[in-house]
Amino acid sequence: DQQVKQNSPSLSVQEGRISILNCDYTNSMFDYFLWYKKYPAEGPTFLISISSIKDKNEDGRFTVFLNKSAKHLSLHIVPSQPGDSAVYFCAASDSNYQLIWGAGTKLIIKP
Amino acid sequence: DTGVSQDPRHKITKRGQNVTFRCDPISEHNRLYWYRQTLGQGPEFLTYFQNEAQLEKSRLLSDRFSAERPKGSFSTLEIQRTEQGDSAMYLCASSLARGLINEKLFFGSGTQLSVL
Repeated sequence: DQQVKQNSPSLSVQEGRISILNCDYTNSMFDYFLWYKKYPAEGPTFLISISSIKDKNEDGRFTVFLNKSAKHLSLHIVPSQPGDSAVYFCAASDSNYQLIWGAGTKLIIKP
Repeated sequence: DTGVSQDPRHKITKRGQNVTFRCDPISEHNRLYWYRQTLGQGPEFLTYFQNEAQLEKSRLLSDRFSAERPKGSFSTLEIQRTEQGDSAMYLCASSLARGLINEKLFFGSGTQLSVL
């Protein structure tokens, strides 16, 4: 049973446009959500997070939106840059120090 | 370099052999995690340490797997009698935990295990 789902295995976006990556979860006990970015042959790197008491968190070009009623979060990247091409993972925590990860979405930024 | 380092980067072994991986976390970090990742999937939690104490183990961690973190510094993950299904990327991460506040994890580059 996948508790965190990223239904789009890949996404292609024109450079300069907005990239929107989506993530759905099923466990209502999740109270903290994170996005990680992964380049080939490297480990994931932390990008941005959001607590369940908020519905939006912004850091530069990256914004995460949380819709608790829909159990849905999204990551917006604007404007998209070639260096943003990577695999993006959504992860969720229920304060048990375990992160439950989605399968990832490969983002390709086209020049 | 003060990041998380893992050794080796790649390991090819024959079925039935034992393998051991090492992880050196960021020096001031008190938590250390092991994850496993297969192609097309996100990382799966295996186990974590708070200092030298192993506090949680996943059901994925069969009795062929053992992890240690002596003295609360580096950690080793050993897989005995490897099986082809053990082929995966093994990721180590560390963090500086402050009570119950969720902390971000810093990952190493992983050890890619191939069991032939």
